[in-house]
Formats: sequence, C-alpha cells, structure tokens
Amino acid sequence: DQQVKQNSPSLSVQEGRISILNCDYTNSMFDYFLWYKKYPAEGPTFLISISSIKDKNEDGRFTVFLNKSAKHLSLHIVPSQPGDSAVYFCAASPSNTGNQFYFGTGTSLTVIP
Amino acid sequence: EPEVTQTPSHQVTQMGQEVILRCVPISNHLYFYWYRQILGQKVEFLVSFYNNEISEKSEIFDDQFSVERPDGSNFTLKIRSTKLEDSAMYFCASKEGQGGAKNIQYFGAGTRLSVL
Repeated sequence: DQQVKQNSPSLSVQEGRISILNCDYTNSMFDYFLWYKKYPAEGPTFLISISSIKDKNEDGRFTVFLNKSAKHLSLHIVPSQPGDSAVYFCAASPSNTGNQFYFGTGTSLTVIP
Repeated sequence: EPEVTQTPSHQVTQMGQEVILRCVPISNHLYFYWYRQILGQKVEFLVSFYNNEISEKSEIFDDQFSVERPDGSNFTLKIRSTKLEDSAMYFCASKEGQGGAKNIQYFGAGTRLSVL
C-alpha cells in the first residue's frame, strides 16, 4: 500500500538555489507529518514536522508546507548546501499521538557545488 | 546528544537460523519501534512497544517475529527462523511520549541483516 508517495526518486540542485521535495498522501486520517533525512549507512534523522492545524512550519533553511485539500506536502530548502545531499523521507501518522509512521520511498537530493 | 544505538551493524546468518537484533533506545523514552527497509524500497513499520507490551504491529510482523525489553535499557527484535526475504536494514526507533515534540521518533543507524 502506497499511502505516502514521493514521486521523484532523485533531484539535483545547484548550491545556493532552492530545493523543493514533494510528498503526496492518500489517507485523509493523516494529520501529522515529518521529514527525515538519511545519509548512507545511517538511520533516518528527524528534520522538521508539521501538524494538520498548520499549513507552514519553518526552521532555519527548512520550510514544510502542507496543503490538506490536495493531500500534499513539500519541503523547501533555501539556500541548498552540498551537505544537504542525502535521501529525504516524508512520513505521516494518523495523529499527533500516533504510533505508526508511514514512510514514502524517499527522494535522493544532490546539491551540486 | 542522546542517541539510539543498534548492534550489530551487520549480521549475516543462514536461512532458518534465529537472529536477535539489539537496540538501546534513548534513556528517557517510553515508546519503542522496529522498522525495516528492504534495499531500494521504503521504510516499513514492523511493531511498536509501550508499557512492556506490543501496542501496534504490521502484517509483516508475523509469528516469526518477537520483541522484548529484557531490562531497563535494551529492546530486542528476534526472528525465529530467518528467510531470504528477511534480508533488509532493520531500524530501531524510540520516542519520549505523546504529542508535540515528544512524538518525534529518533532512529538508530540500523542493523543490516543478510540471510544466505
């Protein structure tokens, strides 16, 4: 079951430009969303989250936007840096207190110096 | 900074053998999880554990799998009779509690299980 989808397996961006990673979900019960970053041979590292009561959450260079009507969220990284090169996973949960996270398949971001 | 630690980093086993994957969650966390990622695929939820019992499990987590918190620090995943398709990266995660920042799950670096 593909409840969380990341349709772009890879993305290349020039250093200093904006990176936009997209995520779509199908389950209308999802109301808590997170982005994780993963380097090779490491576990996923929490990046930023958003609750469905918001449509935007910002943390430094990272901003997550949520469009509930479209069941779509995106992660913006501005400005992109070479150290941002990693696989980014979108995850969703049926509630802010939920247990299970449903992960997308990931988008591999390469930031070109 | 506190982190989730997993051992071993790589486990090789023969089909049909039992394996135990070990995790030490962050010390003040109360909720524990196992996920797996088959090469090239998405991270999949296996099981969640709270208050010394399983709170949720997926279809993947069949009778061949079990979890245990044998003491105050370790959290283990046992696969009784491994199959070739169990080959994957297994991630342990933990979270502090419910709601807000406490709901963020923190992941270990994973154990790569190779079943031959």
